[in-house]
Amino acid sequence: QQQVKQSPQSLIVQKGGIPIINCAYENTAFDYFPWYQQFPGKGPALLIAIRPDVSEKKEGRFTISFNKSAKQFSLHIMDSQPGDSATYFCAARWKDNYGQNFVFGPGTRLSVLP
Amino acid sequence: ETGVTQTPRHLVMGMTNKKSLKCEQHLGHNAMYWYKQSAKKPLELMFVYSLEERVENNSVPSRFSPECPNSSHLFLHLHTLQPEDSALYLCASSQVGGAKNIQYFGAGTRLSVL
Repeated sequence: QQQVKQSPQSLIVQKGGIPIINCAYENTAFDYFPWYQQFPGKGPALLIAIRPDVSEKKEGRFTISFNKSAKQFSLHIMDSQPGDSATYFCAARWKDNYGQNFVFGPGTRLSVLP
Repeated sequence: ETGVTQTPRHLVMGMTNKKSLKCEQHLGHNAMYWYKQSAKKPLELMFVYSLEERVENNSVPSRFSPECPNSSHLFLHLHTLQPEDSALYLCASSQVGGAKNIQYFGAGTRLSVL
């Protein structure tokens, strides 16, 4: 199944809170899981990514937790700031004879209140 | 900004018009992608040009026609579109076989079909 499920659809937190966005997948052929951040009027920008042989990856205030057996992964934003307000997409990659393909979750709109 | 430039940024066209979207990447990548982003729907991969092969999503109507004259340029030719084709069209590029497998997105073309 070439899809990624993402929740919640929207999320509101206070400044300093820790929003958590969850994604789940079925296809064990996925071998790379990036997260993208998109601000209004801009294209998605890569935020952080993880491979399935790693359980956690941290870059600055952003952390991915990966549970391979459950086929789930999540994004945590520590000490969230109003500037983090954006739409976040999880994605998954698989490879075929033509190269690499990506499928995206539907996105989570995050609002961080001052 | 990201090395992927899309033009025009905004396009309004009638259902009988023919127009083209242009994407140019300055990153030396060997794969380019067209995505459609509609409100409240996941990013939809339309076409991939990877390793000089074209792969397409079978659900994309024939009124969308991609062209990739070289590894740095990608076009999306549009003809006899429908109002439901109004969306943000995003171009991305990546390096197949690259160490980080990062997809870089352009800012998109906001298309409105009247």
